[in-house]
Amino acid sequence: DAGVTQSPTHLIKTRGQQVTLRCSPKSGHDTVSWYQQALGQGPQFIFQYYEEEERQRGNFPDRFSGHQFPNYSSELNVNALLLGDSALYLCASSRGSGASYGYTFGSGTRLTVV
Amino acid sequence: ILNVEQSPQSLHVQEGDSTNFTCSFPSSNFYALHWYRWETAKSPEALFVMTLNGDEKKKGRISATLNTKEGYSYLYIKGSQPEDSATYLCASLSNDYKLSFGAGTTVTVRA
Repeated sequence: DAGVTQSPTHLIKTRGQQVTLRCSPKSGHDTVSWYQQALGQGPQFIFQYYEEEERQRGNFPDRFSGHQFPNYSSELNVNALLLGDSALYLCASSRGSGASYGYTFGSGTRLTVV
Repeated sequence: ILNVEQSPQSLHVQEGDSTNFTCSFPSSNFYALHWYRWETAKSPEALFVMTLNGDEKKKGRISATLNTKEGYSYLYIKGSQPEDSATYLCASLSNDYKLSFGAGTTVTVRA
């Protein structure tokens, strides 16, 4: 049973460019959440998708957008990249809110903005 | 408490010793408390999900308690082993579906 799959694993982009990160949730999960983890910090909540809609959003600017597809997979898009966007981006899937069994995480995409 | 806070940030434990560390979280809008273990080069792995005040959960040598009224949770490791070395993250799930993480406690077990 495949867990959460994220691609790519590493990415280097130039300031001002745009990037798309992808996530396939664990089989049976319908909810996808995205997190940004900078060095020395805990994962910061970006947004959550359920039934192809953004259900909740953290304190991130509109440059961060996302999408969920009918097969529950998801994309995170970041426009006009800044040096400060360099971080590990984690995708997590859950069945509903995750209140019962928790989240299943992918291995992350390491984004470096130069 | 406005955010999820964990202490200490890191700790070193001798193999065979027991240890514990703390997670504090906002008690308002609380829905559930998660603990995750994150080993180097791997994905965070769910250890416990707790919802009720006074909940205690156990998995092998690791256990956790929950106090929702005062907004804290403890994680205990009994008889630490080198394979327990990891960063332990706690996260609070609010009733509007936001899961907010602390910065983690990094445990290093010395043989």
